[in-house]
Amino acid sequence: DTEVTQTPKHLVMGMTNKKSLKCEQHMGHRAMYWYKQKAKKPPELMFVYSYEKLSINESVPSRFSPECPNSSLLNLHLHALQPEDSALYLCASSQPGRTKYEQYFGPGTRLTVT
Amino acid sequence: DAKTTQPPSMDCAEGRAANLPCNHSTISGNEYVYWYRQIHSQGPQYIIHGLKNNETNEMASLIITEDRKSSTLILPHATLRDTAVYYCIVRVASNYQLIWGAGTKLIIKP
Repeated sequence: DTEVTQTPKHLVMGMTNKKSLKCEQHMGHRAMYWYKQKAKKPPELMFVYSYEKLSINESVPSRFSPECPNSSLLNLHLHALQPEDSALYLCASSQPGRTKYEQYFGPGTRLTVT
Repeated sequence: DAKTTQPPSMDCAEGRAANLPCNHSTISGNEYVYWYRQIHSQGPQYIIHGLKNNETNEMASLIITEDRKSSTLILPHATLRDTAVYYCIVRVASNYQLIWGAGTKLIIKP
């Protein structure tokens, strides 16, 4: 199974709402990632978890809160978002290791903030 | 800062080889070149990666120049399903980061 799943596929939320994005993989990967992708742009790294510990936070605003409850699951909690946060949010996983292990991406959650 | 430069778009006839170039003149000796593609509204899909030597797998071939300043991704027999944005990426050796280029939109024409 080389699949990364993400739920929901689409999410519309108001600026005062609290919601969560979920990501799951069963490949035994111990590194998991959140990316944000705006239209016609490449993905931008937000967070990296390695062995369930946050190892990289790319200066992401605190209204985005990641959580890695176990080695298969990754959540992104959203609160008080702005319209400019509307984007495709991608989850990825890989074996830990700094160079040669490819990342497997999920299909993404299309987020619209109204 | 982007470490790779790619043409913004290319066309290729169905059944022909698609050759996608990438310049990475500032790449360091221990940084890998990765290629991913993204079909519209889907997550990026890994294609291939290499360090110094040419690489081939079931999807594509990667040709890296001897000075490592550029590379070419080759899809040997392009099909309509290969229409996608292709990203040339440098993998930073010191952490997990993928430094993405702007991508080449490849359109396969019947």
